[in-house]
Amino acid sequence: NAGVTQTPKFQVLKTGQSMTLQCAQDMNHEYMSWYRQDPGMGLRLIHYSVGAGITDQGEVPNGYNVSRSTTEDFPLRLLSAAPSQTSVYFCASNRVSGAGEQFFGPGTRLTVL
Amino acid sequence: AQKVTQAQTEISVVEKEDVTLDCVYETRDTTYYLFWYKQPPSGELVFLIRRNSFDEQNEISGRYSWNFQKSTSSFNFTITASQVVDSAVYFCAPRSGGGSNYKLTFGKGTLLTVNP
Repeated sequence: NAGVTQTPKFQVLKTGQSMTLQCAQDMNHEYMSWYRQDPGMGLRLIHYSVGAGITDQGEVPNGYNVSRSTTEDFPLRLLSAAPSQTSVYFCASNRVSGAGEQFFGPGTRLTVL
Repeated sequence: AQKVTQAQTEISVVEKEDVTLDCVYETRDTTYYLFWYKQPPSGELVFLIRRNSFDEQNEISGRYSWNFQKSTSSFNFTITASQVVDSAVYFCAPRSGGGSNYKLTFGKGTLLTVNP
């Protein structure tokens, strides 16, 4: 049981490049989400999904796309990277029943030059 | 929507001291949940505790204890006899108890440094 996995762990991009951050969970959780963490800002929600085929925006969605074709995977796409997207990205998942805690992946540290 | 304030940006203590991390939240929900997460220097986020809005019992787990007071909208976290391994950023995070949005609203965190 790997929990929530994220790849890559580190990435450096040039402004304008696109890339996909991968996230997978093996706990059969319906809910998955992406956060970004910036110094002094806590974690802010980018996008979330309550199940396969259903996604919605969080508080900072601009510049990011998501899709959820399977329960297990929830990739985050940066369409045209900007220096403002330099951050640490965390993927999380949880059950939608009850009040289960969110399980977080180890994070991806992204630098956009 | 929820809002959370962790007024203490940084706290520094000496090992074996007790330390309390404050968390004040705002919500219009009648049912909600409150969470604490720990982020050690290695960067991962570790779940510590979850509390339901209808359960105001305080909780103790080893050296950790939590004081939930609905009347003051606070959910404070105390570490007794702190240890160097407790050094981390601690986040308080409320979450709505209804609907399909399981979004956690994170505070800015409190950096705790425990010195030997």
